[in-house]
Amino acid sequence: GDSVTQMEGPVTLSEEAFLTINCTYTATGYPSLFWYVQYPGEGLQLLLKATKADDKGSNKGFEATYRKETTSFHLEKGSVQVSDSAVYFCALSYNQAGTALIFGKGTTLSVSS
Amino acid sequence: ETGVTQTPRHLVMGMTNKKSLKCEQHLGHNAMYWYKQSAKKPLELMFVYSLEERVENNSVPSRFSPECPNSSHLFLHLHTLQPEDSALYLCASSQGKGVLFFGSGTQLSVL
Repeated sequence: GDSVTQMEGPVTLSEEAFLTINCTYTATGYPSLFWYVQYPGEGLQLLLKATKADDKGSNKGFEATYRKETTSFHLEKGSVQVSDSAVYFCALSYNQAGTALIFGKGTTLSVSS
Repeated sequence: ETGVTQTPRHLVMGMTNKKSLKCEQHLGHNAMYWYKQSAKKPLELMFVYSLEERVENNSVPSRFSPECPNSSHLFLHLHTLQPEDSALYLCASSQGKGVLFFGSGTQLSVL
C-alpha cells in the first residue's frame, strides 16, 4: 500500500545552518504531497504542498520539490532559526478528494542559537 | 483562535471510565477527522466524516466510538480503554485537497 518514509531524527542544527529533511514515498497513483509542522503544545499545520510532478511548494523560507523519478519530496531551508524548532511531518494524499492522508513518523528539528 | 477547538486539553481516566472528547470547527469545512498521535509512530487516522459519511480505519478498537451530529461538531466516545490507548488525540477539519486544519489535541492518559 501507499506509504511515507522520513529520515529519523532528531536533527540538531545551529541557527543559520542549512536544513534538509528527507522524505520518500510509495504510491500506486499520483498523490499530492505535503509537509506539515507541529510546534510544541499545538496541533499540526500545513507548511507547504505540491500536487503534481516537478511542482515546488514553498512557505516561510521552506521549499520542497515533487520528484516523481526519485519518489521524493525533501524539505529544505537555507537558513534555519530557533523558531523553526518543531516536528515536521511529510504526508501524501491517496484519494482524489484529499480526505485520506498518510503521514510519516515525523522528524524533530532542534535549532540552537 | 485556530478555527478547530478541542476539549478537554488533558484527560486522565481509569480503565472502567466512560468519557468523551469534543471537537468543534468554525471554518465551514465539510470533513472532520480523528487522529491518534503516539510517540515514534506515524499519525494514525481513526475516523473520517466527509459529507456526513463515515469512513473508519478497521484496525480501531470498538472501545472508540465517534459521533458527528453536524458538520461543525465531532465527538469521540471512550469506554473501557487500555493503558496503550494513552496518546494525543487530534481532531482536524478540511474542505478536501489534503489541506487539514488541526486542533491542539487532547492528551489522554489511561491508568
